Amino acid sequence: EVQLVESGGGLVKPGGSLRVSCAVSGFSITNAWMSWVRQAPGKGLEWVGRIKGKDYGDKIDYAAPVKGRFSISRDESKNIVILQMNSLQTDDTAVYYCTTPLTRPEDFSASWGQGILVTVSS
Amino acid sequence: DIQMTQSPSTLSASVGDRVTLTCRPSQNVSLWLAWYQQKPGRAPKLLMYKASTLESGVPSRFSGNGSGAEVTLTISSVQPDDFATYYCQQYNSDLGITFGQGTRLEIK
Repeated sequence: EVQLVESGGGLVKPGGSLRVSCAVSGFSITNAWMSWVRQAPGKGLEWVGRIKGKDYGDKIDYAAPVKGRFSISRDESKNIVILQMNSLQTDDTAVYYCTTPLTRPEDFSASWGQGILVTVSS
Repeated sequence: DIQMTQSPSTLSASVGDRVTLTCRPSQNVSLWLAWYQQKPGRAPKLLMYKASTLESGVPSRFSGNGSGAEVTLTISSVQPDDFATYYCQQYNSDLGITFGQGTRLEIK
């Protein structure tokens, strides 16, 4: 069974940084497309970014609101995906979900983690 | 980025009703369209991709139709477990990946 488990969330001050990880079990992330989607409290879903599989050149794309501040990487030895968030703003406050289409090279999300809350507040 | 407009925002239905949810992209997205169901406090669940391909394990009462300018999700006979919020998503990254604002399906 595939499981995605996020960790590393919490409270951070505006302008600060935070690193959120996604531990994946039951599935190798090496050639998987892995994405991050967030949801602000009481709001809808927002795509954050994605790293393509190694066989697609590890190409990374980001949503405009986070480009230049967030970065996505993969640690194959630990089978984890990392979302590094810098220059955080109050409107980055959200539950962050790690997602994947599993074996399909697509940008929809078939498997989701439980989500991790990131709160940006002074 | 493409704007995805869902209608209605809220839909009231009774168990057994047939309901249709609509998603209108601001540009033609061809078949790069997915649907998700989300219940309070839970992660979303993929229902449909490529506009009309049912994800494995999703009941056949869910169906998708359309492409380009208007895409629909139909539940042929609403069940108690179906009351939730539904989101459409345009997932062609060349056009910017975006979600609709959601349609809440509530019990009448």
